[in-house]
Amino acid sequence: SQTIHQWPATLVQPVGSPLSLECTVEGTSNPNLYWYRQAAGRGLQLLFYSVGIGQISSEVPQNLSASRPQDRQFILSSKKLLLSDSGFYLCAWSDEIAGAGRETQYFGPGTRLLVL
Amino acid sequence: AQKITQTQPGMFVQEKEAVTLDCTYDTSDPSYGLFWYKQPSSGEMIFLIYQGSYDQQNATEGRYSLNFQKARKSANLVISASQLGDSAMYFCAMREGPGGGADGLTFGKGTHLIIQP
Repeated sequence: SQTIHQWPATLVQPVGSPLSLECTVEGTSNPNLYWYRQAAGRGLQLLFYSVGIGQISSEVPQNLSASRPQDRQFILSSKKLLLSDSGFYLCAWSDEIAGAGRETQYFGPGTRLLVL
Repeated sequence: AQKITQTQPGMFVQEKEAVTLDCTYDTSDPSYGLFWYKQPSSGEMIFLIYQGSYDQQNATEGRYSLNFQKARKSANLVISASQLGDSAMYFCAMREGPGGGADGLTFGKGTHLIIQP
């Protein structure tokens, strides 16, 4: 079965510091990968998605970047964090082979980031 | 205009009662998918149920069913025989387009459901 991991689970960082959040998926090949952010008490906002190694699409202009160095690894980064980067970051995967139009996104446990 | 609207910020329901969580959506794409996720206090998003725009029947998954009214652009989640463990945030989400690619989901703001004993 497929599993998705994220780390760290919690992170407290000062403003201006760099960031690296990691997401890995097991049990599937060539998944579509996603990064979402959830502000406190809000729904999720899509940040980035990737259909393959080195292929990244950004949904919103921001202080963050994403990379996919390996098939099942997705990294969210920042060179200098802002206060507004605080939030809950969720990685998700989907398998387009699951059936045209029916592919479901499955989420990892998330990383809570607090920028002070 | 919001693409996904959940009008109930919070709901209190007695244990064992049925619950209906409202969701309306807005899209001009004839192909789309609708999803419901549960988010307990731990934060993980748990997939509950999916409804495709061309599906003829309402989706069901155990105690969960989706009341899909296409003309009204409504996709309400129904939980039968609620349990204390159902207490959580519930999010409605939509994927526009036929799928088969990396289409992100658009989420509503969620409904906080509390089941009371």
